[in-house]
Amino acid sequence: SQQGEEDPQALSIQEGENATMNCSYKTSINNLQWYRQNSGRGLVHLILIRSNEREKHSGRLRVTLDTSKKSSSLLITASRAADTASYFCAHQIPGSARQLTFGSGTQLTVLP
Amino acid sequence: DAGITQSPRHKVTETGTPVTLRCHQTENHRYMYWYRQDPGHGLRLIHYSYGVKDTDKGEVSDGYSVSRSKTEDFLLTLESATSSQTSVYFCAIRESTNYGYTFGSGTRLTVV
Repeated sequence: SQQGEEDPQALSIQEGENATMNCSYKTSINNLQWYRQNSGRGLVHLILIRSNEREKHSGRLRVTLDTSKKSSSLLITASRAADTASYFCAHQIPGSARQLTFGSGTQLTVLP
Repeated sequence: DAGITQSPRHKVTETGTPVTLRCHQTENHRYMYWYRQDPGHGLRLIHYSYGVKDTDKGEVSDGYSVSRSKTEDFLLTLESATSSQTSVYFCAIRESTNYGYTFGSGTRLTVV
């Protein structure tokens, strides 16, 4: 399977703290993306980082990519209760018909 | 965001019956995808389409077929439903602007 791995599987933090989630993959990639899924809903695209980028920011989100280690991290700063959700990384491989391969996800719980 | 709707939202069916799930988009996107989501597995690609009548298999295509006779509709058929196909099914389109996916709200299918 080309699926990625995410770490940790579950994370529980207090409101205001930072949350860091990690993702690893096995192949060379075109880009890597992060998604959020609230309970019972579809996934929502958060951010995309290309293979030639090392870091990207969007609001309270910071994503890093290390292609030599085939890994990425998602940092959510100053977390809020509304950030409680599952977070998935997904990578797109070269030559593919743009399909994404998803990791198994991190369940983030932000306690008020 | 693309308007993307899935139907039905919930379905219970008996083992051995055929089932068709529908994905409808309103913005003429070329790429459409069907994923299934199961606990511990994240999302796994079943089939995808890169145009009308152009489809291909994903990672877990056995027991599934798809059709795309119009740009806006992508149908997923379980030819003879089995209990192992009990899952939540998500359709997605690929945005042409940020290259992320937009997901439907999902279909929860139970095979009894």
